[in-house]
Amino acid sequence: EAGVVQSPRYKIIEKKQPVAFWCNPISGHNTLYWYLQNLGQGPELLIRYENEEAVDDSQLPKDRFSAERLKGVDSTLKIQPAELGDSAVYLCASSLDGRGGYNEQFFGPGTRLTVL
Amino acid sequence: GENVEQHPSTLSVQEGDSAVIKCTYSDSASNYFPWYKQELGKRPQLIIDIRSNVGEKKDQRIAVTLNKTAKHFSLHITETQPEDSAVYFCAVQGRYGNKLVFGAGTILRVKS
Repeated sequence: EAGVVQSPRYKIIEKKQPVAFWCNPISGHNTLYWYLQNLGQGPELLIRYENEEAVDDSQLPKDRFSAERLKGVDSTLKIQPAELGDSAVYLCASSLDGRGGYNEQFFGPGTRLTVL
Repeated sequence: GENVEQHPSTLSVQEGDSAVIKCTYSDSASNYFPWYKQELGKRPQLIIDIRSNVGEKKDQRIAVTLNKTAKHFSLHITETQPEDSAVYFCAVQGRYGNKLVFGAGTILRVKS
Protein backbone atom coordinates (compact mmCIF):
# COMPACT_ATOMS: atom_id res chain seq x y z
CA GLU A 1 0.00 0.00 0.00
CA ALA A 2 1.39 3.41 -0.95
CA GLY A 3 1.89 5.89 1.82
CA VAL A 4 1.08 9.57 1.85
CA VAL A 5 2.59 11.21 -1.21
CA GLN A 6 3.71 14.81 -1.35
CA SER A 7 5.23 16.93 -4.07
CA PRO A 8 7.45 18.67 -4.62
CA ARG A 9 9.97 17.41 -2.05
CA TYR A 10 11.97 20.61 -2.22
CA LYS A 11 11.09 24.12 -3.33
CA ILE A 12 13.21 27.25 -3.43
CA ILE A 13 11.52 30.55 -4.25
CA GLU A 14 12.10 34.23 -3.78
CA LYS A 15 10.02 36.15 -1.28
CA LYS A 16 6.72 37.51 -2.52
CA GLN A 17 6.38 34.65 -5.00
CA PRO A 18 3.50 32.16 -4.78
CA VAL A 19 4.05 28.49 -4.04
CA ALA A 20 1.81 25.42 -3.91
CA PHE A 21 2.20 22.01 -2.32
CA TRP A 22 0.30 18.88 -3.24
CA CYS A 23 -0.69 15.90 -1.11
CA ASN A 24 -2.25 12.55 -1.94
CA PRO A 25 -3.38 10.72 1.21
CA ILE A 26 -3.55 7.00 1.79
CA SER A 27 -6.46 5.48 -0.10
CA GLY A 28 -9.58 5.37 2.03
CA HIS A 29 -8.39 7.89 4.59
CA ASN A 30 -11.09 10.47 5.17
CA THR A 31 -9.07 12.84 7.30
CA LEU A 32 -6.21 14.92 5.93
CA TYR A 33 -3.92 17.26 7.83
CA TRP A 34 -1.40 19.91 6.87
CA TYR A 35 1.35 20.60 9.38
CA LEU A 36 4.16 23.12 9.51
CA GLN A 37 7.46 21.95 10.98
CA ASN A 38 10.11 24.51 11.76
CA LEU A 39 13.69 23.39 12.28
CA GLY A 40 14.12 21.82 15.69
CA GLN A 41 10.41 21.88 16.47
CA GLY A 42 7.50 19.51 16.43
CA PRO A 43 4.83 19.67 13.73
CA GLU A 44 2.12 22.31 14.19
CA LEU A 45 -1.31 21.80 12.70
CA LEU A 46 -2.33 24.28 10.01
CA ILE A 47 -5.58 22.74 8.83
CA ARG A 48 -7.56 19.51 9.12
CA TYR A 49 -10.07 18.17 6.58
CA GLU A 50 -12.81 15.65 7.12
CA ASN A 51 -13.47 14.59 3.54
CA GLU A 52 -13.76 17.89 1.67
CA GLU A 53 -14.71 19.98 4.70
CA ALA A 54 -12.12 22.02 6.59
CA VAL A 55 -13.05 21.36 10.23
CA ASP A 56 -10.10 23.02 11.94
CA ASP A 57 -8.24 25.88 10.27
CA SER A 58 -7.72 28.06 13.31
CA GLN A 59 -3.93 27.97 12.91
CA LEU A 60 -3.89 28.77 9.20
CA PRO A 61 -2.69 32.34 8.45
CA LYS A 62 -5.55 33.14 6.14
CA ASP A 63 -4.10 36.37 4.81
CA ARG A 64 -1.53 34.44 2.77
CA PHE A 65 -2.29 30.73 3.15
CA SER A 66 -5.09 28.81 1.51
CA ALA A 67 -5.92 25.16 1.13
CA GLU A 68 -8.42 23.03 -0.69
CA ARG A 69 -9.54 19.44 -0.91
CA LEU A 70 -12.18 19.65 -3.59
CA LYS A 71 -13.09 15.99 -4.08
CA GLY A 72 -12.20 14.80 -0.60
CA VAL A 73 -9.02 13.09 -1.74
CA ASP A 74 -6.00 15.13 -2.90
CA SER A 75 -5.25 18.46 -1.30
CA THR A 76 -3.21 21.52 -2.14
CA LEU A 77 -1.77 24.12 0.19
CA LYS A 78 -0.87 27.50 -1.25
CA ILE A 79 1.10 30.45 0.02
CA GLN A 80 0.77 33.80 -1.71
CA PRO A 81 2.89 35.79 -1.28
CA ALA A 82 5.63 33.83 0.48
CA GLU A 83 7.69 35.50 3.21
CA LEU A 84 11.14 34.66 4.54
CA GLY A 85 9.60 33.27 7.72
CA ASP A 86 7.66 30.68 5.75
CA SER A 87 10.81 28.63 5.22
CA ALA A 88 10.03 25.30 6.85
CA VAL A 89 8.94 21.75 6.11
CA TYR A 90 5.28 21.33 5.23
CA LEU A 91 3.98 17.93 6.20
CA CYS A 92 0.80 16.28 5.05
CA ALA A 93 -0.76 13.47 7.06
CA SER A 94 -3.87 11.33 6.79
CA SER A 95 -5.91 9.07 9.02
CA LEU A 96 -8.91 6.80 8.58
CA ASP A 97 -11.37 8.90 10.54
CA GLY A 98 -10.48 11.96 12.56
CA ARG A 99 -13.73 12.39 14.41
CA GLY A 100 -12.52 11.88 17.95
CA GLY A 101 -11.16 8.39 17.44
CA TYR A 102 -7.71 7.05 18.17
CA ASN A 103 -6.63 6.85 14.59
CA GLU A 104 -2.96 6.80 13.72
CA GLN A 105 -1.85 9.70 11.59
CA PHE A 106 0.42 8.67 8.73
CA PHE A 107 2.79 11.36 7.53
CA GLY A 108 4.12 12.13 4.10
CA PRO A 109 7.80 12.93 3.46
CA GLY A 110 7.15 16.65 3.51
CA THR A 111 8.03 19.56 1.26
CA ARG A 112 11.04 21.58 2.36
CA LEU A 113 10.41 25.21 1.41
CA THR A 114 13.21 27.75 1.28
CA VAL A 115 12.26 31.38 0.74
CA LEU A 116 15.15 33.63 -0.32
CA GLY B 1 -5.30 25.41 24.26
CA GLU B 2 -3.24 22.34 24.99
CA ASN B 3 0.37 22.88 26.02
CA VAL B 4 2.90 20.05 25.71
CA GLU B 5 6.38 20.22 27.17
CA GLN B 6 9.03 17.63 26.36
CA HIS B 7 12.30 16.92 28.16
CA PRO B 8 15.16 16.58 27.65
CA SER B 9 15.80 18.35 24.36
CA THR B 10 18.88 16.18 23.75
CA LEU B 11 19.87 12.85 25.22
CA SER B 12 23.06 10.88 24.69
CA VAL B 13 23.33 7.31 25.90
CA GLN B 14 25.76 4.47 25.48
CA GLU B 15 24.63 1.56 23.36
CA GLY B 16 22.80 -0.94 25.53
CA ASP B 17 21.70 1.61 28.10
CA SER B 18 18.13 2.80 28.60
CA ALA B 19 16.69 6.12 27.49
CA VAL B 20 13.72 7.93 29.01
CA ILE B 21 11.91 10.92 27.54
CA LYS B 22 9.15 12.69 29.43
CA CYS B 23 6.25 14.88 28.34
CA THR B 24 3.78 16.90 30.36
CA TYR B 25 0.47 18.26 29.15
CA SER B 26 -2.06 20.77 30.40
CA ASP B 27 -5.55 19.55 29.43
CA SER B 28 -6.79 16.86 31.80
CA ALA B 29 -9.38 15.79 29.19
CA SER B 30 -6.70 14.72 26.70
CA ASN B 31 -7.21 11.11 25.77
CA TYR B 32 -4.58 9.84 23.34
CA PHE B 33 -0.79 10.01 23.56
CA PRO B 34 1.32 8.84 20.61
CA TRP B 35 5.09 8.90 20.21
CA TYR B 36 6.70 9.53 16.83
CA LYS B 37 10.25 8.86 15.66
CA GLN B 38 11.73 11.07 12.96
CA GLU B 39 15.05 10.24 11.35
CA LEU B 40 16.98 13.01 9.66
CA GLY B 41 15.20 14.19 6.53
CA LYS B 42 12.45 11.61 6.85
CA ARG B 43 8.81 11.57 7.85
CA PRO B 44 7.61 11.15 11.44
CA GLN B 45 6.56 7.57 12.13
CA LEU B 46 4.44 6.28 14.98
CA ILE B 47 6.35 3.95 17.26
CA ILE B 48 3.92 3.49 20.14
CA ASP B 49 0.78 5.08 21.52
CA ILE B 50 -1.36 4.87 24.64
CA ARG B 51 -4.93 5.77 25.46
CA SER B 52 -6.10 7.50 28.59
CA ASN B 53 -7.69 4.36 30.05
CA VAL B 54 -4.36 2.51 30.13
CA GLY B 55 -1.39 3.17 32.42
CA GLU B 56 1.34 1.35 30.56
CA LYS B 57 1.98 -0.23 27.18
CA LYS B 58 4.98 -2.16 25.96
CA ASP B 59 6.21 -3.24 22.54
CA GLN B 60 9.51 -5.12 22.62
CA ARG B 61 12.17 -2.61 23.69
CA ILE B 62 9.79 0.33 23.78
CA ALA B 63 7.29 1.19 26.50
CA VAL B 64 5.12 4.16 27.36
CA THR B 65 3.75 5.00 30.80
CA LEU B 66 0.95 7.45 31.52
CA ASN B 67 0.19 9.24 34.78
CA LYS B 68 -3.15 10.98 34.27
CA THR B 69 -3.20 12.52 37.72
CA ALA B 70 0.13 14.22 37.20
CA LYS B 71 -0.57 14.78 33.50
CA HIS B 72 2.65 13.32 32.23
CA PHE B 73 3.71 10.37 30.12
CA SER B 74 7.08 8.92 29.29
CA LEU B 75 8.80 6.91 26.58
CA HIS B 76 11.19 4.23 27.71
CA ILE B 77 13.66 2.58 25.34
CA THR B 78 15.69 -0.30 26.72
CA GLU B 79 18.86 -1.87 25.29
CA THR B 80 19.36 1.08 22.99
CA GLN B 81 20.98 0.52 19.60
CA PRO B 82 22.64 2.96 17.17
CA GLU B 83 19.59 2.77 14.90
CA ASP B 84 17.50 4.25 17.72
CA SER B 85 19.29 7.54 17.11
CA ALA B 86 16.66 10.00 15.86
CA VAL B 87 14.37 12.78 17.02
CA TYR B 88 11.45 11.61 19.14
CA PHE B 89 8.23 13.61 19.46
CA CYS B 90 5.46 13.12 21.93
CA ALA B 91 1.97 14.26 21.02
CA VAL B 92 -1.32 14.76 22.78
CA GLN B 93 -4.81 14.53 21.38
CA GLY B 94 -7.15 16.96 23.05
CA ARG B 95 -10.79 16.70 23.86
CA TYR B 96 -11.95 18.20 20.56
CA GLY B 97 -11.59 16.03 17.53
CA ASN B 98 -8.37 14.48 16.35
CA LYS B 99 -6.03 17.43 16.70
CA LEU B 100 -2.55 16.41 17.85
CA VAL B 101 -0.35 18.87 19.70
CA PHE B 102 3.32 17.92 19.51
CA GLY B 103 6.18 18.44 21.90
CA ALA B 104 9.34 20.17 20.70
CA GLY B 105 11.22 16.91 20.27
CA THR B 106 14.17 15.08 21.83
CA ILE B 107 17.34 14.35 19.88
CA LEU B 108 18.49 10.91 20.97
CA ARG B 109 22.06 9.88 20.22
CA VAL B 110 23.12 6.32 20.91
CA LYS B 111 26.88 6.01 21.04
CA SER B 112 28.46 2.71 20.09
